[in-house]
Amino acid sequence: GQNIDQPTEMTATEGAIVQINCTYQTSGFNGLFWYQQHAGEAPTFLSYNVLDGLEEKGRFSSFLSRSKGYSYLLLKELQMKDSASYLCAVQDSNYQLIWGAGTKLIIKP
Amino acid sequence: IAGITQAPTSQILAAGRRMTLRCTQDMRHNAMYWYRQDLGLGLRLIHYSNTAGTTGKGEVPDGYSVSRANTDDFPLTLASAVPSQTSVYFCASSDFGGAGELFFGEGSRLTVL
Repeated sequence: GQNIDQPTEMTATEGAIVQINCTYQTSGFNGLFWYQQHAGEAPTFLSYNVLDGLEEKGRFSSFLSRSKGYSYLLLKELQMKDSASYLCAVQDSNYQLIWGAGTKLIIKP
Repeated sequence: IAGITQAPTSQILAAGRRMTLRCTQDMRHNAMYWYRQDLGLGLRLIHYSNTAGTTGKGEVPDGYSVSRANTDDFPLTLASAVPSQTSVYFCASSDFGGAGELFFGEGSRLTVL
């Protein structure tokens, strides 16, 4: 079966760095997405990785290792507004997205 | 403002009633999707459409139907609602037949009693 695993909840301190991991087992691979979802709102796109390596976008970076079925989202200089759920999703061989349950990130002052 | 509009935002519905959730996009995206989101579970695909005139079944299609008469509209119908269909429903669209990022509507919170 297809499976995406990510921690249910993480806590971090304002100004610090946090890494949210995602491991996957899917039928084929056509890319990995990270989305941010604030409580009561719709998910919004953060990043896309299709090749191994690190993609940096401001305070957020996303890493992919296809051989290990592993990705992480790195958030630097955490701000209170970063409190949200972070969703990992993998596109399988049919370009269908398989979603993780999301990681709820709690930022403390 | 360009994007996806869903209606209604919230609805309480008696079991057995028919309900249509509306979704309209103005980005001319060819692909559209309906997801449901339940606590502790990832987004689950109900139905999708890669282009106007075609639809396909997702992971959890039972009890739901869709149509795609044109590029902009993708309504989701619950023929006879059941309590297990209580959920938050998100409509989304993408360009490139799903190879690009998804743009989501604001969601429709449905409660079936």
